[in-house]
Amino acid sequence: SQKIEQNSEALNIQEGKTATLTCNYTNYSPAYLQWYRQDPGRGPVFLLLIRENEKEKRKERLKVTFDTTLKQSLFHITASQPADSATYLCALGDSTLTFGKGTMLLVSP
Amino acid sequence: EPEVTQTPSHQVTQMGQEVILRCVPISNHLYFYWYRQILGQKVEFLVSFYNNEISEKSEIFDDQFSVERPDGSNFTLKIRSTKLEDSAMYFCASSEAGLGTYEQYFGPGTRLTVT
Repeated sequence: SQKIEQNSEALNIQEGKTATLTCNYTNYSPAYLQWYRQDPGRGPVFLLLIRENEKEKRKERLKVTFDTTLKQSLFHITASQPADSATYLCALGDSTLTFGKGTMLLVSP
Repeated sequence: EPEVTQTPSHQVTQMGQEVILRCVPISNHLYFYWYRQILGQKVEFLVSFYNNEISEKSEIFDDQFSVERPDGSNFTLKIRSTKLEDSAMYFCASSEAGLGTYEQYFGPGTRLTVT
């Protein structure tokens, strides 16, 4: 069955540094991969989508890469801020979404 | 900015009771979804709905669950006879289309507590 793995340990970084989060998947060849942000007790919020034929996508301070050979996506937040502290979810699917468990990011001032 | 709304924000019910969770998707969206998230676990897909019928459902979405679009704006999830393990956050989402190329907009969720 499809499996999506994200680092279960929280990532702690200092304000201003670049945060890099990893999403690995197995038993799947998705045409699209999405990243969402989730704050405690709230619904996921869409951030970025990348297609299988795109290597990289950027939006403001966010960058996503998609390596279909490695079956991996990396999510980067540059110049991180305390307000970026949240759980970041990777999601795959061609129609419905299968989510990873997410990685919590903590940005300290 | 348009958003998905859900009511109630918190529902407490006794085991065996029926509950209806309500959602108002974004008005020009065509696909609607229900997900659940048990505390500390991942967001899990339950069902997708398009053109007044279920388009896909997961193994979780058994005969105890049903969805309905009773009018032009509401989208509901009914759990017929709740179990303790149904306790979770339930999120409604909508998207312009059903392909994975379209982002999904999630509501704030309904926290269901079954006692």
